[in-house]
Amino acid sequence: AQSVAQPEDQVNVAEGNPLTVKCTYSVSGNPYLFWYVQYPNRGLQFLLKYITGDNLVKGSYGFEAEFNKSQTSFHLKKPSALVSDSALYFCAVSLLTGGGNKLTFGTGTQLKVEL
Amino acid sequence: NAGVMQNPRHLVRRRGQEARLRCSPMKGHSHVYWYRQLPEEGLKFMVYLQKENIIDESGMPKERFSAEFPKEGPSILRIQQVVRGDSAAYFCASSPQDGYGYTFGSGTRLTVV
Repeated sequence: AQSVAQPEDQVNVAEGNPLTVKCTYSVSGNPYLFWYVQYPNRGLQFLLKYITGDNLVKGSYGFEAEFNKSQTSFHLKKPSALVSDSALYFCAVSLLTGGGNKLTFGTGTQLKVEL
Repeated sequence: NAGVMQNPRHLVRRRGQEARLRCSPMKGHSHVYWYRQLPEEGLKFMVYLQKENIIDESGMPKERFSAEFPKEGPSILRIQQVVRGDSAAYFCASSPQDGYGYTFGSGTRLTVV
């Protein structure tokens, strides 16, 4: 079974400061890892993914994430936060099998960026 | 390309009625996934379909819920005899083939009164 943990329900950061949203995972095999963002009453928007290759993945809107196999982590980062980054962020993991690309999501982290 | 289209955006049903949620995948996408998001929770996988086939329904409740993806037309998630606990946001996602990542629709918010 695969699982994802997002240990922080909410992260508060001042605009212009760096932000980190934490994610750890548990999976048997090589994981595919994803970050999605959800704005109020909207669907999920893809930010970035790790499939293979470089451990540092760059995505949309200046976000990046670092895959750390030894710590089974995939933390989301941004060097300088914007108020418009305030949203709900989900980490997800999947194993590509014959049964398709089923995602297991974390419970989400609410990011609040304040002036 | 219009993206993944879900309708209706909002659906209100009385207890005991049926709810039908529709999802039109992106053009060229033949894989459809349904997820449910309960209030204050993350998304939970429900079912994975390809055209005319259910591939994985391990996340579907055993009763009252069914899904289809016919050769022509949208994918349908059907909930019979709805109860208050079915109130949630239901999201559909599509992909062109395994491993190519999803595109999510904007969801259908079901409220059972």
